[in-house]
Amino acid sequence: NAGVTQTPKFRVLKTGQSMTLLCAQDMNHEYMYWYRQDPGMGLRLIHYSVGEGTTAKGEVPDGYNVSRLKKQNFLLGLESAAPSQTSVYFCASSGTGGVTYTFGSGTRLTVV
Amino acid sequence: SQELEQSPQSLIVQEGKNLTINCTSSKTLYGLYWYKQKYGEGLIFLMMLQKGGEEKSHEKITAKLDEKKQQSSLHITASQPSHAGIYLCGADISGGYQKVTFGIGTKLQVIP
Repeated sequence: NAGVTQTPKFRVLKTGQSMTLLCAQDMNHEYMYWYRQDPGMGLRLIHYSVGEGTTAKGEVPDGYNVSRLKKQNFLLGLESAAPSQTSVYFCASSGTGGVTYTFGSGTRLTVV
Repeated sequence: SQELEQSPQSLIVQEGKNLTINCTSSKTLYGLYWYKQKYGEGLIFLMMLQKGGEEKSHEKITAKLDEKKQQSSLHITASQPSHAGIYLCGADISGGYQKVTFGIGTKLQVIP
């Protein structure tokens, strides 16, 4: 049982480059989330989805786009990476009726 | 998040000592969650508290919820090196059971 899988685990981008982070869950969860974790800031919600085909903005959505074309996958895109987007990104999923999250192991992104 | 204040932000204790971490919300709590993060890894769910006065225990970790004070405490008895990590409280303050706001976290070191 893989749970929540994030790819890639590490990535270095140059300013202005684009990339997509993939999150896949095998628990048939309805809800999926993307957070970023920065020192002194904690975990901040970027975007989330309450079901296939839906997305919503979180606390810090600027500079990111997301898509949930399949229930099991939630993609986070950076169209034009900036150094301020250097962070550790976590994906999480949860079932309906509560928010006991299952987290992925994270993607460490550095933008130079 | 300023909506959830954790204290202390870091803690160094000697193995065998007890310790308490606090989490206070500035908004109404609809659910309070404790997670543990080992350095460089994802978050692991510890406990969920939903009712005022609720108390839950897992091994040597006990969490309580004071709904009136909008506060939760996490208590570790007889700490061990395996307890080291970052403890994060999260809360559903939206009431929609759809997303969790996290505190900054408390970094715990246990010295053998």
